[in-house]
Amino acid sequence: GALVYQYPRRTICKSGTSMRMECQAVGFQATSVAWYRQSPQKTFELIALSTVNSAIKYEQNFTQEKFPISHPNLSFSSMTVLNAYLEDRGLYLCGARDQGLGERLFFGHGTKLSVL
Amino acid sequence: GEQVEQLPSSLIVQEGASVLINCSYTDSASVYFPWYKQEPGKRLQFIIDIRSNMERKQTQRLTLLFDKKTKHLSLHITATQPGDSAIYFCSASPSLGKLQFGTGTQVVVTP
Repeated sequence: GALVYQYPRRTICKSGTSMRMECQAVGFQATSVAWYRQSPQKTFELIALSTVNSAIKYEQNFTQEKFPISHPNLSFSSMTVLNAYLEDRGLYLCGARDQGLGERLFFGHGTKLSVL
Repeated sequence: GEQVEQLPSSLIVQEGASVLINCSYTDSASVYFPWYKQEPGKRLQFIIDIRSNMERKQTQRLTLLFDKKTKHLSLHITATQPGDSAIYFCSASPSLGKLQFGTGTQVVVTP
């Protein structure tokens, strides 16, 4: 079946430092990858949508300078949170879609980011 | 942009009872509406979806109703079990690969 793995599952970083998270698609081709942040109150924010061989589209309030994303092939994507501060805390979720399988997004467990 | 609201925000039901979750969206361009279930420590799990050219979809204990005119969806879960305890999210897709999630409904099923 189609599965998405995210690494690390949890991470703690000091305020002002950066951390990188990875997203691996297994059993399908991640034609597009959407990165989300889920707040402690459980609301979701879309950070950016990445499609292989196309430009990455960032949502309002999110920038490439703060959340650089790499999507080099059909099985892998990574995102870095640069200069993390308290407001960057949350669960970062990767949702991947295979255009050959329709519109469904498959999600990983997420990377829980805590900032000290 | 698309906005998705869910009600109620939380509910408690006894095992065996039914649950109804309501969802509304704003963007007429949205044509695809998947629902997800989130349990602590587990992946965000797809449970059912519907497209705007349908009015109803049913799988096992889940029934999803869609009203394009009112921009409203409702998810009905029957014969609930403790394993149904989770946060349920409605979502709308205003463009391919992009989902706008609702505010979530915390469901607690008591034995």
